[in-house]
Amino acid sequence: ETGVTQSPTHLIKTRGQQVTLRCSSQSGHNTVSWYQQALGQGPQFIFQYYREEENGRGNFPPRFSGLQFPNYSSELNVNALELDDSALYLCASSFPVGEQYFGPGTRLTVT
Amino acid sequence: AQSVSQHNHHVILSEAASLELGCNYSYGGTVNLFWYVQYPGQHLQLLLKYFSGDPLVKGIKGFEAEFIKSKFSFNLRKPSVQWSDTAEYFCAVNGGGSNYKLTFGKGTLLTVNP
Repeated sequence: ETGVTQSPTHLIKTRGQQVTLRCSSQSGHNTVSWYQQALGQGPQFIFQYYREEENGRGNFPPRFSGLQFPNYSSELNVNALELDDSALYLCASSFPVGEQYFGPGTRLTVT
Repeated sequence: AQSVSQHNHHVILSEAASLELGCNYSYGGTVNLFWYVQYPGQHLQLLLKYFSGDPLVKGIKGFEAEFIKSKFSFNLRKPSVQWSDTAEYFCAVNGGGSNYKLTFGKGTLLTVNP
């Protein structure tokens, strides 16, 4: 059984740029959720994708967007990066209801 | 809106001491409850979960948690901690029509001294 994988591991971007983060879900899971974890905080829900459709969204602006592909992998896109976007971005895969399994995260630094 | 409170930011124990980490949530409807652990340099891992049934749930590595509905609490316990339990522990909840998202507490850093 393959776990959740994310790429890249680390990323440094400049304010105003755009970034794409990638996630491959655990084998058999059809739902992917994205979370932002700022330093010293718990993860905060960004959005979830189920069968290629957004299935719920947290309190994040529209410049945070996503995609899910037919193989259930997913992308998180962030436009017009701000300094406060610096965080660990976590992807979790699951079935629509139940426990979520997390990947190692992508550390994004915005300068 | 759901919220989760973890009472202790940093807990320091010696090996063999007993552990209890507090967690309270705000939502009054049907909830699912989780404890996740993040060991240094590793990703978040599920420690245990409660969906329904016996309110005392057992997880991996000797951890257990008790769901007390009247207190909106889901405290994590371990009778005797080990140095390898040093990690950050997160309580999380979902439910009430928002099954799609987990709401996390801010986490408790546990340091176990040998």
